[in-house]
Amino acid sequence: AQKVTQAQTEISVVEKEDVTLDCVYETRDTTYYLFWYKQPPSGELVFLIRRNSFDEQNEISGRYSWNFQKSTSSFNFTITASQVVDSAVYFCALSEASINGQNFVFGPGTRLSVLP
Amino acid sequence: GAVVSQHPSWVICKSGTSVKIECRSLDFQATTMFWYRQFPKQSLMLMATSNEGSKATYEQGVEKDKFLINHASLTLSTLTVTSAHPEDSSFYICSALSRQGQGRRNTIYFGEGSWLTVV
Repeated sequence: AQKVTQAQTEISVVEKEDVTLDCVYETRDTTYYLFWYKQPPSGELVFLIRRNSFDEQNEISGRYSWNFQKSTSSFNFTITASQVVDSAVYFCALSEASINGQNFVFGPGTRLSVLP
Repeated sequence: GAVVSQHPSWVICKSGTSVKIECRSLDFQATTMFWYRQFPKQSLMLMATSNEGSKATYEQGVEKDKFLINHASLTLSTLTVTSAHPEDSSFYICSALSRQGQGRRNTIYFGEGSWLTVV
């Protein structure tokens, strides 16, 4: 069965600090997709990244970077030089190869507070 | 811009009444849409999978007679919370599956979500 674990329930950092949000997943499929979403207080889910299981190349997008390690089943997310606007709940999610949504599983989320 | 639109964003209803939430795919056809519920400080939990032209598939523990899902067209799915009670107060969010060949990758788009408060 699929499972996504985000061990950090809440993290607080001071502005300009770097912060890494952990995500560990479990799946029996060899082909799957991993996602990160940001959920600000308004509630909408903001798509950040999608990565398929065959692409282990790390990705950087501005202040965001992702480290995908299949060997440890982890897909960690780092925000560099955090800003107050980064305060939100961040969800890691896993979808198996069919991406039909029935196997789209969210982690419990990590609430990030960036203090000025 | 948004590719999946949800309406209403906020709704307050009296206990015992029914409320309908709409989920629309704006520029693609979605044969499959999904409904999630999120209680405060919790993750999103899949309630049901909505298939165009057929009955929805409900997750274990979700009352299908209480949460009516209709997917009558390729761009619209509705969730009706019948005889709502305060414990139904939650954030409901939909998503739609876009298949390759519609100018988009095979991916899932989320609506903006709907806050339901039952008083």
